[in-house]
Amino acid sequence: QSVLTQPPSASGTPGQRVTISCSGSSSNIENNAVNWYQQLPGTAPKLLIYDNNQRPSGVPDRFSGSKSGTSVSLAISGLQSEDEADYYCAAWDDSLNGHVVFGGGTKLTVL
Amino acid sequence: QVQLVQSGAEVKKPGASVKVSCKVSGYTLSKLSIHWVRQAPGKGPEWMGGFDPEDGHGETIYAQNFQGRVTMTEDTSTDTAYMELSSLRSEDTAVYYCATSKASGWSIRFDYWGQGTLVTVSS
Repeated sequence: QSVLTQPPSASGTPGQRVTISCSGSSSNIENNAVNWYQQLPGTAPKLLIYDNNQRPSGVPDRFSGSKSGTSVSLAISGLQSEDEADYYCAAWDDSLNGHVVFGGGTKLTVL
Repeated sequence: QVQLVQSGAEVKKPGASVKVSCKVSGYTLSKLSIHWVRQAPGKGPEWMGGFDPEDGHGETIYAQNFQGRVTMTEDTSTDTAYMELSSLRSEDTAVYYCATSKASGWSIRFDYWGQGTLVTVSS
């Protein structure tokens, strides 16, 4: 069971806006920056959002992140077929001498 | 542009050890914070630990789940990082990744990833 909780699945049709949530606690999300990763089958994760809402260069502005208290959200607007992937949130957790925690992942299906 | 190239797949018996390498190019290893993340089949990523290069007195921070079983080292002469996991069990079957950040010093923002190394533990 993951420290950060994500819905196992999400879906949308092309052009739609979808949101993926990630909930944690005061030891991780509330007091630390959150990063989001996109993982296509058979490949390494790719950084999508860092520091809660920052996009690395090259990531389309269709992807955005937000944070409120112990939860964060990843929004994808103008959904495209190539967005079909697994999405993971991650953050530093201050417990157990400190460690990185990941969410269990959300499988996004583009219908 | 930082590139991380890992060693090839391994098959190990329970109780054995495995050592995975991560060759850095495009930057100097000593200035990077190299982390190791593994992903079991069908599961989310799991952080194993990372190196904090702060002020030249670098130290490795290990996840408590792996304390005593994992050792992360670096050879700055060849810009290669290593992760060795001992006392392997079937649950250690996973793809092991090295990862690092564009940001200097300690960072858990993983901009760059190796291609992954599949470690299979089977009798």
